[in-house]
Amino acid sequence: GAGVSQSPRYKVTKRGQDVALRCDPISGHVSLYWYRQALGQGPEFLTYFNYEAQQDKSGLPNDRFSAERPEGSISTLTIQRTEQRDSAMYRCASSSSYGYRTEAFFGQGTRLTVV
Amino acid sequence: DAKTTQPNSMESNEEEPVHLPCNHSTISGTDYIHWYRQLPSQGPEYVIHGLTSNVNNRMASLAIAEDRKSSTLILHRATLRDAAVYYCILLMEYGNKLVFGAGTILRVKS
Repeated sequence: GAGVSQSPRYKVTKRGQDVALRCDPISGHVSLYWYRQALGQGPEFLTYFNYEAQQDKSGLPNDRFSAERPEGSISTLTIQRTEQRDSAMYRCASSSSYGYRTEAFFGQGTRLTVV
Repeated sequence: DAKTTQPNSMESNEEEPVHLPCNHSTISGTDYIHWYRQLPSQGPEYVIHGLTSNVNNRMASLAIAEDRKSSTLILHRATLRDAAVYYCILLMEYGNKLVFGAGTILRVKS
């Protein structure tokens, strides 16, 4: 497909388990972003990459959250020891260049539910 | 980061133009003005962006005040499909970090 692909679309996990969320950006896109969105709220920035370098991780809530993009393409957001408050929609986006001069394309998201 | 202020909600009639305002009085000279929208149950979608001059594309127009302290997103003929949350976001030059505020909920009446 031509768009940003996220998997799984839905994930239900038990409290305390680790989860890995995958993002497959549009081919050739330099920048990749992760956001979290609670119901009725705007997307909350988590982190972003240019190529394989993590440029900004200021939005990651705590050290249970981490992200990587080892080959500058697919990215994984990992949440360790999940808690109920981690339940949200997690969205990935990518852009062909610096975000300020181009558009970001968002995926359909992964709905995470921690029970 | 410079902040934006948008009305919480607006209502429009179908087939009529809609003007969505955004105030950004602390904007710096190199901040780009971006607009995204999010339809129900969808991810955000790019609408338009600009720096100083007014911009037009197939989706909308962006009118930027001469002092750049405000801008207006113009939907020329609203349709039911345009009902969404519209976000006005400032991005600094070489910046990459879209920071979403609360946005404006646009309701379109048939």
